[in-house]
Amino acid sequence: NAGVTQTPKFQVLKTGQSMTLQCAQDMNHEYMSWYRQDPGMGLRLIHYSVGAGITDQGEVPNGYNVSRSTTEDFPLRLLSAAPSQTSVYFCASSYSSGQGRKLFFGSGTQLSVL
Amino acid sequence: GENVEQHPSTLSVQEGDSAVIKCTYSDSASNYFPWYKQELGKRPQLIIDIRSNVGEKKDQRIAVTLNKTAKHFSLHITETQPEDSAVYFCAAYGGATNKLIFGTGTLLAVQP
Repeated sequence: NAGVTQTPKFQVLKTGQSMTLQCAQDMNHEYMSWYRQDPGMGLRLIHYSVGAGITDQGEVPNGYNVSRSTTEDFPLRLLSAAPSQTSVYFCASSYSSGQGRKLFFGSGTQLSVL
Repeated sequence: GENVEQHPSTLSVQEGDSAVIKCTYSDSASNYFPWYKQELGKRPQLIIDIRSNVGEKKDQRIAVTLNKTAKHFSLHITETQPEDSAVYFCAAYGGATNKLIFGTGTLLAVQP
């Protein structure tokens, strides 16, 4: 049972480039989300999804797009990378979108934008 | 939207002492309050959680208390050990949204 799998683990981009961070879970979780982690700022919610075909914005959605075509996958797209998007990105999933539940995190993607 | 404040940002204790981390939230509709522990270079992992219909919950050396009136909740770690050294995050889940909002984290250092 792999849990939540994120790829790549490390990525370096030049300003203006685009890329997709991949996230997949094999636990049949309805809820999936993306967070970014920056020093002193904790984990900030970028986008989330309560099920296939449904996505919504979190606290810091600008510059990022998501889609949820299947239950398993929730990719995060950077449209035109900026140095301010240098961060560690975590994908997380949980069983349901009901009243509170345990988040399972992926191992993270460390992204640097030059 | 929900806003979660967490204090202190760093905390240093001697092994065997207790540690307390405090959080406040803004949305009175929030109804679920988990705590996550993140060791250096690792992913966050849930260590304890509490729902709004409960005032206190304990799990061995870890306890969480919730004061709904004041909109704050706290993590208590007793008999701290070096392996408790990590960053701890509180979070609040809004009742009207599906967003889990985190605090800014507390770096706990347990000195042997």
